[in-house]
Amino acid sequence: NAGVMQNPRHLVRRRGQEARLRCSPMKGHSHVYWYRQLPEEGLKFMVYLQKENIIDESGMPKERFSAEFPKEGPSILRIQQVVRGDSAAYFCASSPRLGSAQETQYFGPGTRLLVL
Amino acid sequence: SQQGEEDPQALSIQEGENATMNCSYKTSINNLQWYRQNSGRGLVHLILIRSNEREKHSGRLRVTLDTSKKSSSLLITASRAADTASYFCATKNSGGGADGLTFGKGTHLIIQP
Repeated sequence: NAGVMQNPRHLVRRRGQEARLRCSPMKGHSHVYWYRQLPEEGLKFMVYLQKENIIDESGMPKERFSAEFPKEGPSILRIQQVVRGDSAAYFCASSPRLGSAQETQYFGPGTRLLVL
Repeated sequence: SQQGEEDPQALSIQEGENATMNCSYKTSINNLQWYRQNSGRGLVHLILIRSNEREKHSGRLRVTLDTSKKSSSLLITASRAADTASYFCATKNSGGGADGLTFGKGTHLIIQP
């Protein structure tokens, strides 16, 4: 059973370009979370999605950031018109069930975004 | 202090010694989890303790939770060089709010051979 997969592992963009980060949850998991980690910091929650639904985006910046989890295919975190402050590691996590407050989240290896 | 704040920020011990890390949090929680992160890698889940539990063991790991003090500790016994990593506590808040986990800044643990 493959774990959470993220690609690319490293992404370099120039200011103003778009960044697309992909996440495939563990098999059997239908809930995806995105987190951002700045250097020497802990992870910060961004958004929680189920298939075709955004459940909680309270941690997402209001502009330039969007996320989706289509019926088919991976979850996508999209950052438009990137700025240097977007440089960070972006982690995806998945869990199997809805509504269980006890669920463990399983993390992918992350995508390290560098904005030049 | 922020939710899920670990202490100490850095810890260096000799191989074979025990390592203890602490975590404090502010809000009511459903559970508290500890994760390990090796440099440049993703997070590995270590252990989850529920709000109605006081202590939990997993191999060389022992976690305690004191909800009255809003604190948790992670003890790694008989440390090994491979335990060198950053350790984060993360809380799942109760009573609504964000669905994601809230992480602290982590404790950087170095095990010297």
